[in-house]
Amino acid sequence: DQQVKQNSPSLSVQEGRISILNCDYTNSMFDYFLWYKKYPAEGPTFLISISSIKDKNEDGRFTVFLNKSAKHLSLHIVPSQPGDSAVYFCAASALTSGTYKYIFGTGTRLKVLA
Amino acid sequence: NAGVTQTPKFQVLKTGQSMTLQCAQDMNHEYMSWYRQDPGMGLRLIHYSVGAGITDQGEVPNGYNVSRSTTEDFPLRLLSAAPSQTSVYFCASSFFGGSGNTIYFGEGSWLTVV
Repeated sequence: DQQVKQNSPSLSVQEGRISILNCDYTNSMFDYFLWYKKYPAEGPTFLISISSIKDKNEDGRFTVFLNKSAKHLSLHIVPSQPGDSAVYFCAASALTSGTYKYIFGTGTRLKVLA
Repeated sequence: NAGVTQTPKFQVLKTGQSMTLQCAQDMNHEYMSWYRQDPGMGLRLIHYSVGAGITDQGEVPNGYNVSRSTTEDFPLRLLSAAPSQTSVYFCASSFFGGSGNTIYFGEGSWLTVV
């Protein structure tokens, strides 16, 4: 049972345009959401996060939107740059059995074309 | 500022052999965890720990053992390696307690079981 889903395995975008990566979740108890970026042969690195009490968080070129009623979040990258080409994972956390567990999606591979 | 350090980076094992993946963090994080990454499966939680002497199972714990004798170290043991354990393993850590904690990953350990 995949609680966090990234339905698009890959996405190609032209340099300078907007990249939109999507993530859906099923567990209404998730209260914190994170996006990670992963380059080949490296560990995931934290990109941006959002608490369930907010619907938007912005950090430079990266903005995360949260729609709790739809159980959907998205990551917008504007403008996209070739260095943004990587796999992006969304993650969600919830209090489970007395501790916070982080559940990850399957990832979306973004390719930014120069 | 080493962060989360994993060793070895690459390892080839024969079926039935045992080995330990080492993980150390220098951020005084209470929470540590192990994930495996497989194609199309995202990052799946194997085991986690909320402090020295406390460990618990994640989504895919079978075939793995952990212990947490110190705050800094969280080794992952493969008891009898199987080809299905061929994967990339990531150790991660964060502060514990409350929502809104970012988890930080190591650079990964690539394991092949033949």
